[in-house]
Amino acid sequence: GQNIDQPTEMTATEGAIVQINCTYQTSGFNGLFWYQQHAGEAPTFLSYNVLDGLEEKGRFSSFLSRSKGYSYLLLKELQMKDSASYLCAVSDSNYQLIWGAGTKLIIKP
Amino acid sequence: ETGVTQTPRHLVMGMTNKKSLKCEQHLGHNAMYWYKQSAKKPLELMFVYSLEERVENNSVPSRFSPECPNSSHLFLHLHTLQPEDSALYLCASSQTFEGPSYEQYFGPGTRLTVT
Repeated sequence: GQNIDQPTEMTATEGAIVQINCTYQTSGFNGLFWYQQHAGEAPTFLSYNVLDGLEEKGRFSSFLSRSKGYSYLLLKELQMKDSASYLCAVSDSNYQLIWGAGTKLIIKP
Repeated sequence: ETGVTQTPRHLVMGMTNKKSLKCEQHLGHNAMYWYKQSAKKPLELMFVYSLEERVENNSVPSRFSPECPNSSHLFLHLHTLQPEDSALYLCASSQTFEGPSYEQYFGPGTRLTVT
């Protein structure tokens, strides 16, 4: 079956760096997405990786290793507004998104 | 504001009621989606429409009935629901369905409670 694994919850300190991991097993691979979802709000797109390596976008970076079925989202200089759930999703061979259950990130002052 | 709106934002209904959820996208996208989001579970894809044609129906019970009258509007008709159907129902759209890199834009969701 198809499966996406990510930690349920993580805690970090304001100003620090946090890495949220995602491992996947899917039927085919057409890219991996990261979304951010604040409580009570819609998920919003953060990043897309289809080739191995690191994609940097401001304070957020996303890494992909297709051979390992692994990705991470790196958040630097954490701010209180970064408290949210972070969703990992893989586009399979049919371009259907397979979603992880999300990682709830709690930022403490 | 993502360009995708959903109404109502909250809905409480009894198991014998009939109600409809509405989604509208103002992005000129060709694909629209219905998802179910339950606490601590992955998003569950329910239906996909591409250019107003249904392309995916992931074994969803018949008490959920989608309708896509045009590429900007999507409905989810609800009938004889069960308490376990209580969840957040999210609508999303993307530029196309069969594009690997096209991100999906989500609406704020309808929080549904079945009593």
